[in-house]
Order: sequence, then C-alpha cells, then structure tokens
Amino acid sequence: GAGVSQSPRYKVAKRGQDVALRCDPISGHVSLFWYQQALGQGPEFLTYFQNEAQLDKSGLPSDRFFAERPEGSVSTLKIQRTQQEDSAVYLCASSWLSRGSNEKLFFGSGTQLSVL
Amino acid sequence: AQSVTQLGSHVSVSEGALVLLRCNYSSSVPPYLFWYVQYPNQGLQLLLKYTTGATLVKGINGFEAEFKKSETSFHLTKPSAHMSDAAEYFCAVSAPNFNKFYFGSGTKLNVKP
Repeated sequence: GAGVSQSPRYKVAKRGQDVALRCDPISGHVSLFWYQQALGQGPEFLTYFQNEAQLDKSGLPSDRFFAERPEGSVSTLKIQRTQQEDSAVYLCASSWLSRGSNEKLFFGSGTQLSVL
Repeated sequence: AQSVTQLGSHVSVSEGALVLLRCNYSSSVPPYLFWYVQYPNQGLQLLLKYTTGATLVKGINGFEAEFKKSETSFHLTKPSAHMSDAAEYFCAVSAPNFNKFYFGSGTKLNVKP
C-alpha cells in the first residue's frame, strides 16, 4: 500500500503477557518513529530509527519496551510483561529524510492496546 | 527543552464561522512548528508547517497559521468552518537537528450545522 501500515489494529492482552506491534513504513522512508498516545493526550515520543539504527530510545518508559528495525524497513515494538498503564494507542510514523525534524511525518492508524 | 500547550481541549463552532485553535510553544532554539489533523480511525495528517521564512503559513483545506515569535504562538485559523473540519487537531514542535516532535494534547473541533 501507499501509506504506513500498522498491525494489529486492536490488541487485548492480559496483564503480564508479552505483545508485539508491527509497523510497515512507506517504502524508502529512512526515518521511523514510534509514539505512544494515551487517552485524551497527544502522542508522546518513544523511539527513533534512521534506517536500521536506533538513534534515540530516550522515550521508552521502561526496559520492558523494546523496538527493532533489523533491515531498515519493517519495525516491531515489543512490550514485555504488559501492565495496565501500557494501555494506549501506539503510533508509527515515517519520513523520507535522515533528519526528520522539519519534514512531514506520515502516520499509521495506530495499534490500540488494552491491557486487562 | 521543548513543549506545546493547546488551550481548549474542545472547541465548538457553527458551520461558516471562524475557526481559531490556539497553540503556544516553548523552545530553547528556533522552532519548527506543525499542525496535524486526526480524523476518527485514521492516522495523523499534516495540515501545515513552519520552518523558516514567511511567518504566515497556508495549509490544506483552507487552514492557515501564523508564527508569532514574540507571543510564542502558532494559532490555527480557518475563515469559514465546514462540517468536514470536525476532527482532532494537534500542534507539534521540533527544531533543527532534532529527531523528536513534541505534540500538544490536542483540540477536538466540533462543527454545528
């Protein structure tokens, strides 16, 4: 497809389960971002990739959160031992350039994670 | 450090009326400023952005915003609201050589017939 694709669209997990969220960016996009959007809030930065390199992971809330982009295209955000506070929409965004700061971000529709 | 404040989590206007959504930012360096729109069950879409140059920026769907450094503001306006403008709007800030975007908490726009 032409846009950023995220799967699954919805995920329900029991507390303590591990989950994996997938992002397929637009082909050829160098930069990839993960954001977390809690209910009623704006997106909050989690991590940033330039191709396969994870250049910034300062927004990951704990060591239970792990992200990878091994071949510089598809990315996976993994959350281990999920907690209720992890419930949120996880957004993936990509852009053409290696420095995304002034470039248009293309967002996926997000994965809504509910931890029971 | 950078941050964004959006005044008013909900704004309601009548169709045909002026739309004004407020955004104030804080940045230790010259900012890049953005407005994104999110329709239900869709991803965020860029409306407009300010990086350098002209401080009045025009975007899609008749929206525009003006960067006012003295007021640290980047308010979004549209002269005449349309029913299709009902959505949630997010202001965001970044800066040269930064790889992060900081988003406000969003403003939901309701357009009444």
